[in-house]
Amino acid sequence: EAQVTQNPRYLITVTGKKLTVTCSQNMNHEYMSWYRQDPGLGLRQIYYSMNVEVTDKGDVPEGYKVSRKEKRNFPLILESPSPNQTSLYFCASSLSKASDTQYFGPGTRLTVL
Amino acid sequence: AQSVTQPDIHITVSEGASLELRCNYSYGATPYLFWYVQSPGQGLQLLLKYFSGDTLVQGIKGFEAEFKRSQSSFNLRKPSVHWSDAAEYFCAVAYTGTASKLTFGTGTRLQVTL
Repeated sequence: EAQVTQNPRYLITVTGKKLTVTCSQNMNHEYMSWYRQDPGLGLRQIYYSMNVEVTDKGDVPEGYKVSRKEKRNFPLILESPSPNQTSLYFCASSLSKASDTQYFGPGTRLTVL
Repeated sequence: AQSVTQPDIHITVSEGASLELRCNYSYGATPYLFWYVQSPGQGLQLLLKYFSGDTLVQGIKGFEAEFKRSQSSFNLRKPSVHWSDAAEYFCAVAYTGTASKLTFGTGTRLQVTL
């Protein structure tokens, strides 16, 4: 089954404790991206990747890192999480670019205390 | 900068009534326009998309949307709403010149009363 998976689905952590949210897709897509969803703000792009070893900032990259060492994986790293990063995070992938149909993961709800 | 406006934060309709959700995008050449739906506790699913050609596009679940370049709008419609349509709906836009960026609106939450 074609899908985008994220882990964990729920995470409660404390300020400053490094964490990684994994994202994996099995559709051989080149384009992958991370979004955060906050009430009243919709989805905002954090980082995106056009292909392996090619990543770039989206609209709200501060406090986040990503890597794309393999085509299927695109982990989101929070080196020192803060409470303002409490949010719902979505990973998405598409064939080659943002204007292709995006396939979304189920989301990761992160709470930073 | 590309942007999307969804002026209605929350809409309530009765089951069986018609629905129209509004979406306006910032002006730009050749927009790619999308409507996504997010059911409670779920990820986003594509309802329909417009790239070019016929300005009235059909999507899944009986939804349709009409692209009006003169009004920079891409409104979503459904003739008869079902209780299962209760969800949050997002309009999104991308442009050929910015292949990396998809911009979402703030969403419209649809409530359906029985």
